[in-house]
Amino acid sequence: AQKVTQAQTEISVVEKEDVTLDCVYETRDTTYYLFWYKQPPSGELVFLIRRNSFDEQNEISGRYSWNFQKSTSSFNFTITASQVVDSAVYFCALSETPGGGADGLTFGKGTHLIIQP
Amino acid sequence: GAGVSQSPSNKVTEKGKDVELRCDPISGHTALYWYRQRLGQGLEFLIYFQGNSAPDKSGLPSDRFSAERTGESVSTLTIQRTQQEDSAVYLCASSLERLAGVREQYFGPGTRLTVT
Repeated sequence: AQKVTQAQTEISVVEKEDVTLDCVYETRDTTYYLFWYKQPPSGELVFLIRRNSFDEQNEISGRYSWNFQKSTSSFNFTITASQVVDSAVYFCALSETPGGGADGLTFGKGTHLIIQP
Repeated sequence: GAGVSQSPSNKVTEKGKDVELRCDPISGHTALYWYRQRLGQGLEFLIYFQGNSAPDKSGLPSDRFSAERTGESVSTLTIQRTQQEDSAVYLCASSLERLAGVREQYFGPGTRLTVT
């Protein structure tokens, strides 16, 4: 069985602070795929990143960066110099097939990020 | 291009009534997924379609739930004899199946179902 844990239910920071969202996963497969999605107040999930289990390189995209560590089964997401527009619920997800397949994606419960001006 | 669309955006129904939720995936996307999101919770996977077929329906919460897809496009999720615990946002996603490589799912805006 697979499981995704996002222990931080809600995080509130002041604009321009850096913030890290934690994601810990469990899976018995040696090949798996990790995702992060953003759900702004409008409700529509926005895809942010995917990572294959065999690629442990960290990734940076503008103010966003992701730290994948197989040794600790973690796939953490950092926003540098946060902005009010980053306020949203962020979901980490796991799949044992490339796109989800017959089992879909397994989502964590999400972290509600609040960026205060 | 157009994204995933869902209708209605909101649905209020009385307990015991049947409801039908619709999803129009991105054109050309052969894979389609339904999820349920209860208030303050993560997404719960319901069912997956590859083309018009759903190989595994075990994720559907009960036999009151059914889903179909026609013409490798539109899909409908039907809930019969709705119960208050069915109240949630129902999200649809689609992805482009490739022979290799990871495919991300693109989500629609969801249908908020309220059972009174």
